[in-house]
Amino acid sequence: DAMVIQNPRYQVTQFGKPVTLSCSQTLNHNVMYWYQQKSSQAPKLLFHYYDKDFNNEADTPDNFQSRRPNTSFCFLDIRSPGLGDAAMYLCATSRLAGGQETQYFGPGTRLLVL
Amino acid sequence: AQSVTQLDSQVPVFEEAPVELRCNYSSSVSVYLFWYVQYPNQGLQLLLKYLSGSTLVKGINGFEAEFNKSQTSFHLRKPSVHISDTAEYFCAVSGHSGGSNYKLTFGKGTLLTVNP
Repeated sequence: DAMVIQNPRYQVTQFGKPVTLSCSQTLNHNVMYWYQQKSSQAPKLLFHYYDKDFNNEADTPDNFQSRRPNTSFCFLDIRSPGLGDAAMYLCATSRLAGGQETQYFGPGTRLLVL
Repeated sequence: AQSVTQLDSQVPVFEEAPVELRCNYSSSVSVYLFWYVQYPNQGLQLLLKYLSGSTLVKGINGFEAEFNKSQTSFHLRKPSVHISDTAEYFCAVSGHSGGSNYKLTFGKGTLLTVNP
């Protein structure tokens, strides 16, 4: 019954060591989003895919990249994690149809950078 | 562009008391409005949403919210809270269409703490 799945739930990496976070969805939604959420803060949109079109937020560091090989999967790559990148990373999906917009979130991946 | 203001960063209440979490928004276009709940170390769960129609929206877990266009507000209410309602609550807004209006803008969140 899972709709938006994120793996792993917890990820530990070393300073500067590339890491990839995974998101998959069973909703067949055309839009997939990646958010960064630091402690006691609102989620911050990093980028999203509208179908195959990649949309980066203006203030997202180049250190963050994303791939969407097909409708169901989307990956977040952090090329050289710094201590400041420790956060919860949330994946969300939505189906844009007729202007209606409801985002459904996964459980998140908590990233720890040592 | 839209913005959301959640007026209270923390709201402590006693169990079985009523609660209201306040949310105001600003937008140059018509909006959709959402409340999400986040339990510790989990993702965001949709509580309720206003898309159109009746301004009183009922959601899960006994929550409801009222859209007030003239006051640009979308306050969340529950008549009697439980310990299990302790969580962070986020109000969010998106535009109807055009450009990137479909993206969500979140408020900073309100931490609801229900005490026995």
